[in-house]
Amino acid sequence: AQSVTQLDSQVPVFEEAPVELRCNYSSSVSVYLFWYVQYPNQGLQLLLKYLSGSTLVKGINGFEAEFNKSQTSFHLRKPSVHISDTAEYFCAVSDIPGGYQKVTFGTGTKLQVIP
Amino acid sequence: GAGVSQSPSNKVTEKGKDVELRCDPISGHTALYWYRQSLGQGLEFLIYFQGNSAPDKSGLPSDRFSAERTGGSVSTLTIQRTQQEDSAVYLCASSLALGGAEQFFGPGTRLTVL
Repeated sequence: AQSVTQLDSQVPVFEEAPVELRCNYSSSVSVYLFWYVQYPNQGLQLLLKYLSGSTLVKGINGFEAEFNKSQTSFHLRKPSVHISDTAEYFCAVSDIPGGYQKVTFGTGTKLQVIP
Repeated sequence: GAGVSQSPSNKVTEKGKDVELRCDPISGHTALYWYRQSLGQGLEFLIYFQGNSAPDKSGLPSDRFSAERTGGSVSTLTIQRTQQEDSAVYLCASSLALGGAEQFFGPGTRLTVL
């Protein structure tokens, strides 16, 4: 069975500082990986995804993530955060399907950008 | 075009009552998902539909929970004899296809069981 671990429940960071949100996954097969963002009082939206190919994936709003198969990680990074990046970020994994797709989400990391 | 819509946006009910939550996916999306979001517990997968079929019901917390989808479109999540621990935000998402397709989420239904 697949699982996702987001060790940091909250990450405070000063504006314009870099940030890394950690995500580790567990699966017995190859996977697809996702990061979703949930802004306050809004629904989730896709930030970026890894399906295949280059292990460095670029997403919206200047975020990027790197798939590391040996470490089973998919950490999210941004070199300089903005106040508007304050949100909750969810890492998700899906086994490459043999029949259907079930996405397992992590418990989320709340990013608080401090002015 | 219209995104995923859910109704009602908020539902307050008394313990023991039944509730129905509705999800209208994006037109043409064959896959539909239900999740539950509770404080401090992230997103909990409940059930998935491919067309009108639900290949995986393993996430439903108990037999009080059921879901159906008709016409490959609208889905209803029903909770019978609600309990206080059912209080959460119930999210619906839809996607075009399988295999890594982006899921588009609705705004959710906030259920409060008194």
